Amino acid sequence: SQKIEQNSEALNIQEGKTATLTCNYTNYSPAYLQWYRQDPGRGPVFLLLIRENEKEKRKERLKVTFDTTLKQSLFHITASQPADSATYLCALGTGGGNKLTFGTGTQLKVEL
Amino acid sequence: GAGVSQSPSNKVTEKGKDVELRCDPISGHTALYWYRQRLGQGLEFLIYFQGNSAPDKSGLPSDRFSAERTGESVSTLTIQRTQQEDSAVYLCASSPPYKGQFFGPGTRLTVL
Repeated sequence: SQKIEQNSEALNIQEGKTATLTCNYTNYSPAYLQWYRQDPGRGPVFLLLIRENEKEKRKERLKVTFDTTLKQSLFHITASQPADSATYLCALGTGGGNKLTFGTGTQLKVEL
Repeated sequence: GAGVSQSPSNKVTEKGKDVELRCDPISGHTALYWYRQRLGQGLEFLIYFQGNSAPDKSGLPSDRFSAERTGESVSTLTIQRTQQEDSAVYLCASSPPYKGQFFGPGTRLTVL
């Protein structure tokens, strides 16, 4: 069966460290993968998109990798700050027209 | 407008009543999506529009759910004969082709 797995346990890290979140998938062949941030009571906010022929994408303190052999994406936040605390969702482009299938998200808490 | 807007922000209804949820996408975005998010859970795809047509309705949970889009703009999600299990946040998103999706704030539906 098809699955998108993100660590359901919250990730707690210290301010200034690098946070690494994992997204694993099975029985999908996504053309691209996206990461979103969601704060409580709000809609998700788009962060980054990476295509299947790209290994790595960066945007400011964010870095995403995409390994289609391992069927895994890693999402890194460097020099993390308490304001980075949120739930981070990965989403796979699984159909025509930018249809996305979302993982359940990982909650990140950055502590002082 | 500057972003995706949804109305109402909150809707409380009685079991068996019909409800209409509205989405105003970002002007010029050809694609529009509806998702459902139950408390503490991930996003569940419902339907996607390209222009005014819906190539993918595969996520609609039952024939009580329907959606339409007019003028390549506003979309309405209608739930007939609401049930308690329909209680959730309904999120709308719009996007240009194969880019990140921009989400509205959602409509919180409570069915008593």
